[in-house]
Amino acid sequence: RKEVEQDPGPFNVPEGATVAFNCTYSNSASQSFFWYRQDCRKEPKLLMSVYSSGNEDGRFTAQLNRASQYISLLIRDSKLSDSATYLCVVNSGAGSYQLTFGKGTKLSVIP
Amino acid sequence: DADVTQTPRNRITKTGKRIMLECSQTKGHDRMYWYRQDPGLGLRLIYYSFDVKDINKGEISDGYSVSRQAQAKFSLSLESAIPNQTALYFCATSDRMKGAQETQYFGPGTRLLVL
Repeated sequence: RKEVEQDPGPFNVPEGATVAFNCTYSNSASQSFFWYRQDCRKEPKLLMSVYSSGNEDGRFTAQLNRASQYISLLIRDSKLSDSATYLCVVNSGAGSYQLTFGKGTKLSVIP
Repeated sequence: DADVTQTPRNRITKTGKRIMLECSQTKGHDRMYWYRQDPGLGLRLIYYSFDVKDINKGEISDGYSVSRQAQAKFSLSLESAIPNQTALYFCATSDRMKGAQETQYFGPGTRLLVL
């Protein structure tokens, strides 16, 4: 079983749409969770951390379900500039600072 | 100025050549990492270093070596490059003082082509 799994997409959505990405992880000892964004041919950049109670940053909402080992990212009112690949990232286990990256979900927001 | 820089940004080399990729950071972080990214495979960890005297192998260290010359510098070497080392290489840093929310900051990447 792969450690961090994501739907590769692509997700093609119109401007203004709401889109959700899902991610599952296999290591039940993982304690830190993140969403990164990667533009084409660029470096990954932190989008947001994911907290147990769920958290929101503007149009972006992240949720964590530890029992199901499931993470989600919701993007509301999609903008053209949201087009990118979204990486689900999980630390490798309790006390570990190694991160495991999902392969990413590609989003294209269409005018 | 960028906090994490990588040189060169692009490199073409031939099979069997030795090459070095360099990474420098001004973030003051103690932890540094080297990854490679291949289409369809995502980011994979090659080596990581938690301080100047602490070097650790990652998931795919074979064929690579590293040197942590100073807290701010971490170099990746390919002793004898082979075509399947063609990839996009990223350096990253993190700050251990962030605890559970320690996250990594990436350099702009080095695109390597081995012929």
